[in-house]
Amino acid sequence: EAGVTQFPSHSVIEKGQTVTLRCDPISGHDNLYWYRRVMGKEIKFLLHFVKESKQDESGMPNNRFLAERTGGTYSTLKVQPAELEDSGVYFCASSNLIGTGAPQETQYFGPGTRLLVL
Amino acid sequence: RKEVEQDPGPFNVPEGATVAFNCTYSNSASQSFFWYRQDCRKEPKLLMSVYSSGNEDGRFTAQLNRASQYISLLIRDSKLSDSATYLCVVNGNSGNTPLVFGKGTRLSVIA
Repeated sequence: EAGVTQFPSHSVIEKGQTVTLRCDPISGHDNLYWYRRVMGKEIKFLLHFVKESKQDESGMPNNRFLAERTGGTYSTLKVQPAELEDSGVYFCASSNLIGTGAPQETQYFGPGTRLLVL
Repeated sequence: RKEVEQDPGPFNVPEGATVAFNCTYSNSASQSFFWYRQDCRKEPKLLMSVYSSGNEDGRFTAQLNRASQYISLLIRDSKLSDSATYLCVVNGNSGNTPLVFGKGTRLSVIA
């Protein structure tokens, strides 16, 4: 079974440009999460989709970030316009959807997209 | 105060040594606890879940103390392949909530 895939693996752009990151979750996983690790910091949550709906976007840093998951399959995360502080590694993770109160399902992470904004 | 705190290390230990990592978390409502392993320039991968009764998987033993909001990971008979960053991770009060990560503890096992 294929794991979580992300594209591109690396992106180097200039400040002010636009970048779109893509995540393909494990087939059948309704939960899709975006996380980010900036240099020297811990991995932090950005947002959570359940199928095509945004369940929680409390971690999105500002309105320059736009995430979509049309059709409830793959997701995109667009940064427009990019700023220097957006540099970091963007991880996507997916898991099965489970009932409230059930133990946490394992979240499987993609290899990440390394973004460098110059 | 950070939500999940870990000693960043690095821990440099010889092969065969026993090493212990500790972690504290601030959200008393957290329900699930994990140790993830992250190799250099790779994604985090689940090492083991942590249960209140403590659990063991081969050379790895995890413990949880809810009263103290403290999690530990013990690695016995360290191997060179254990060299990685170990991330302490917790989540909220339901199974579909995001994960909250510590910064990680770096381990280097030396021949």
